[in-house]
Amino acid sequence: AQKITQTQPGMFVQEKEAVTLDCTYDTSDPSYGLFWYKQPSSGEMIFLIYQGSYDQQNATEGRYSLNFQKARKSANLVISASQLGDSAMYFCAMRQNRDDKIIFGKGTRLHILP
Amino acid sequence: NAGVTQTPKFQVLKTGQSMTLQCAQDMNHNSMYWYRQDPGMGLRLIYYSASEGTTDKGEVPNGYNVSRLNKREFSLRLESAAPSQTSVYFCASSAPGKNTEAFFGQGTRLTVV
Repeated sequence: AQKITQTQPGMFVQEKEAVTLDCTYDTSDPSYGLFWYKQPSSGEMIFLIYQGSYDQQNATEGRYSLNFQKARKSANLVISASQLGDSAMYFCAMRQNRDDKIIFGKGTRLHILP
Repeated sequence: NAGVTQTPKFQVLKTGQSMTLQCAQDMNHNSMYWYRQDPGMGLRLIYYSASEGTTDKGEVPNGYNVSRLNKREFSLRLESAAPSQTSVYFCASSAPGKNTEAFFGQGTRLTVV
């Protein structure tokens, strides 16, 4: 069954530090994609980064990188040099390519401290 | 750039009333999705449609029906609203292909009293 697990309900990090948000997944589809979204207090869903199951290298987008460990079924988001504006809810999501179904984890609320 | 448009943005219903949430996208996407977001529960998939003319149940379909009216529009209907359906509802769409993300509407905040 398709499943996404985020085990950190909340995190507090000092500004300018790096932070890792955990995500593990499960699927029987060998072809899938993993996503991270940011949801600030205003409520909109902001796409951050994508990793395909067959991608050889970890995805990076600016300060965001995805630490993809396929054998462990984990897709952790790393934010380098955190900023106050990074305070938000972060969601990990997975798409199964055989049926286009996209499910989300429960999210991690990140607080950046000045 | 309209993207994904949801209507209404806010709605209050009485228990037992029915309503339809509308969603339209102008990006020619094949796939469309309905999610509900509750505190501590993340986004849960209600129904999705991988192409025009098809719909499939997600994680929490009970109490809802959907219609993929055409490629652009995907509506969510509550036939008899219950307080447990108080939530924020998001519509999303996605293009075919392996590395395309889902684009979201602004959400509908629904309260059932």
